Amino acid sequence: EAGVAQSPRYKIIEKRQSVAFWCNPISGHATLYWYQQILGQGPKLLIQFQNNGVVDDSQLPKDRFSAERLKGVDSTLKIQPAKLEDSAVYLCASSYGQAADTQYFGPGTRLTVL
Amino acid sequence: AQSVSQHNHHVILSEAASLELGCNYSYGGTVNLFWYVQYPGQHLQLLLKYFSGDPLVKGIKGFEAEFIKSKFSFNLRKPSVQWSDTAEYFCAVNDGTGRRALTFGSGTRLQVQP
Repeated sequence: EAGVAQSPRYKIIEKRQSVAFWCNPISGHATLYWYQQILGQGPKLLIQFQNNGVVDDSQLPKDRFSAERLKGVDSTLKIQPAKLEDSAVYLCASSYGQAADTQYFGPGTRLTVL
Repeated sequence: AQSVSQHNHHVILSEAASLELGCNYSYGGTVNLFWYVQYPGQHLQLLLKYFSGDPLVKGIKGFEAEFIKSKFSFNLRKPSVQWSDTAEYFCAVNDGTGRRALTFGSGTRLQVQP
């Protein structure tokens, strides 16, 4: 089966600019996650969707980050305006959403904010 | 709140040496435990997982991990490493429902020298 797709793979922007990332989960996966991975750290959850509803966005910096999952399939994550500390890899993961599930990760988008 | 500690940040081994990577978690309830691996240039992949039952879990590529509830530990082991095991290894936990996001440790970079 096809894996989780993400684009772009790399993005370089200047601070205060905006940027958007796209994720297409594995077909049939109801749950979608966005994680932020700063260099030298493990991934940290930003937001979790179940179908097109938000399950957990407690760690999403809502003053600058937004995410949506229209129609319960693909998702976009936006940063506006970007800060230097947003430089990280943004990972998308998906799962069926059932108990005892495995999360499958995409290749990530590496963002550099100058 | 959950937390995961990986005490070894960087491990260097020679081929055929035995491997043990430490992972301790902090959570008061039932947990699911995971080890993910990220090979150079590739995305995060599941190595093995524990949900219930036998606390000794076998994964892909000869890896295994043992869940010791009394020690809140889930250490990863391999009796004989290969150069191809060079990668970053992440321990992760989520709650017993398995429907929530993962909390990751900071990762252990393993370098296997031929």
